[in-house]
Amino acid sequence: SSELTQDPAVSVALGQTVRITCQGDSLRSYDANWYQLKPLQAPVLVIYAKNNRPSGIPDRFSGSASGNTVSLTITGAQAEDDAVYYCSSRDRSGDVEFGGGTSLTVL
Amino acid sequence: EVKLVESGGGLVQPGRSLRLSCGASGFTFDDYAMHWVRQAPGKGLEWVAGLSWNSGSIGYADSVKGRFTISRDNAKNCLYLQMNSLRVEDTAFYYCAKDMVFNYYDSSGFRFDYWGQGTLVTVSS
Repeated sequence: SSELTQDPAVSVALGQTVRITCQGDSLRSYDANWYQLKPLQAPVLVIYAKNNRPSGIPDRFSGSASGNTVSLTITGAQAEDDAVYYCSSRDRSGDVEFGGGTSLTVL
Repeated sequence: EVKLVESGGGLVQPGRSLRLSCGASGFTFDDYAMHWVRQAPGKGLEWVAGLSWNSGSIGYADSVKGRFTISRDNAKNCLYLQMNSLRVEDTAFYYCAKDMVFNYYDSSGFRFDYWGQGTLVTVSS
């Protein structure tokens, strides 16, 4: 099982700010990435290397890190942000592991 | 535009084999490491296997080691996953994913910037 822990579900009112967190010891040593998954769509990388946005990702998405916790913040959540978000990082063997995912509901 | 298109999924009995393919376009395929990632029904993401640009570095999750083989054909811009001795617990959507670097074991590796839409593998008797 994953050693990256995420809250299973979070909700946010439309236009408000939400923070999704991911905890794990490996995060003290390795950067984290965040992926957005929607049903029947290809997953999307929204943040990589802690706080870098790929081209095409809105600037309302940002990342941060402190100790063994990384966070994905959506400032001014939109209806299209309703999705499941997964963090990922390197594990002890140097491979990659994912968190359990956080289902974000935009109300 | 980067496109990754998986194929080859389907229903297969336990113990049998299946080969997945992933066709890539819109980028220089042999400049990047590539991976397979899966998601079982109702579960989270799980990295399955990865290989570097020239297949010089290859890695597998413990859950598939010895049963699955990842490979690539840079001339055809294709990634493959040969799955043998399939188990019920291998049932999942299988995604092809592009890394951001040519050797995924670099410190900047295992960052998947493009994914396909996935192909469903169902292992059942």
